Amino acid sequence: DGGITQSPKYLFRKEGQNVTLSCEQNLNHDAMYWYRQDPGQGLRLIYYSQIVNDFQKGDIAEGYSVSREKKESFPLTVTSAQKNPTAFYLCASSNPNTGELFFGEGSRLTVL
Amino acid sequence: AQSVTQLDSQVPVFEEAPVELRCNYSSSVSVYLFWYVQYPNQGLQLLLKYLSGSTLVKGINGFEAEFNKSQTSFHLRKPSVHISDTAEYFCAVTNRDDKIIFGKGTRLHILP
Repeated sequence: DGGITQSPKYLFRKEGQNVTLSCEQNLNHDAMYWYRQDPGQGLRLIYYSQIVNDFQKGDIAEGYSVSREKKESFPLTVTSAQKNPTAFYLCASSNPNTGELFFGEGSRLTVL
Repeated sequence: AQSVTQLDSQVPVFEEAPVELRCNYSSSVSVYLFWYVQYPNQGLQLLLKYLSGSTLVKGINGFEAEFNKSQTSFHLRKPSVHISDTAEYFCAVTNRDDKIIFGKGTRLHILP
């Protein structure tokens, strides 16, 4: 089935460590997104990429980095510079004709 | 600039009663509108969307929404809720040329 696959679903990290969240899609979409979700705050955009080898900062990019070397893949690295990394992270891709987003199942990161 | 307002952060409703979740948007151009549902620890999945045509849109799980251009609203309704409808619901808007914008979400609590 076509869709977005995120891994891992749960991840624990010690303070000071970088972690990378994986996001793969087989929908052949050009645009991909990373969102952060905290209770009561809705979805906040971290980074997005509209095409391979190009990406832009979203509203809360500080402490995060991304790459887009392949159309299918858009990994997110949460660096040690991110002050409050504990959150639920969602990856998505978009239909170019309607803007509709397709989401993965999410990755929950907990910093110990 | 576009924006989305979900007027209620939480809505309690008795099982088998009707429910309406409110959504208002602001945009100076034609828009596409979406409602997404999120169950605990999962990604968002599309409930329904308005792209053009009939202003009454039917979605999955018995939900429907009505696009009202004059009131810039896209309220979500269900005539009879079930305990399985307990979730968070997000309204979203895009004009295709811009990134999709989400409301902050409404938590639907079904009371027995």
